[in-house]
Amino acid sequence: GAVVSQHPSWVICKSGTSVKIECRSLDFQATTMFWYRQFPKQSLMLMATSNEGSKATYEQGVEKDKFLINHASLTLSTLTVTSAHPEDSSFYICSARDSSRPQETQYFGPGTRLLVL
Amino acid sequence: GENVEQHPSTLSVQEGDSAVIKCTYSDSASNYFPWYKQELGKRPQLIIDIRSNVGEKKDQRIAVTLNKTAKHFSLHITETQPEDSAVYFCAATLDSGGGADGLTFGKGTHLIIQP
Repeated sequence: GAVVSQHPSWVICKSGTSVKIECRSLDFQATTMFWYRQFPKQSLMLMATSNEGSKATYEQGVEKDKFLINHASLTLSTLTVTSAHPEDSSFYICSARDSSRPQETQYFGPGTRLLVL
Repeated sequence: GENVEQHPSTLSVQEGDSAVIKCTYSDSASNYFPWYKQELGKRPQLIIDIRSNVGEKKDQRIAVTLNKTAKHFSLHITETQPEDSAVYFCAATLDSGGGADGLTFGKGTHLIIQP
């Protein structure tokens, strides 16, 4: 159990376009999901906390108008990178917390590799 | 906000020897400290975690110790094997009872097991 999926697994886009990444909890409900970004050979950096039915909470330095987060259901959160530029190229990973078992750790998705040309 | 420092950045040990990775955190409110193993291009995998109400936790060859007063925690891997080679991350966050908040990660340690 406790499976989190992401789609797509990788995406290549042109500079200036928008890209949507989906994060799904497959076998549990997740009131809260998290979005992280990882540049090559670096650590994971928390971008935002996504709460079902309410606005996301962004970490300092993360532009909320550039990284749009929607958590419209208990199993799906989406991250849209708007007007993507080469510096947005990164590995985006989501994680989800099982609403029924909050004492357990958050479960990570497999990540989405974004390359902006 | 929380800040997590992790050392060393690279650790090379002989197969069968022990490996120790150390982390310090800044926010005394943090009470949940997981450790992750990440292979190239893959998601982080939880290998062990500890909460602030205990000082040590062990799972077979892996153990974690926590010193709340000094705000540091360490990962210990004994009898290292080639498959232990990977990047290891420590993390810290607050769990206020409704589940852990988003994680603040250390910069990672590249563990190399020499045959």
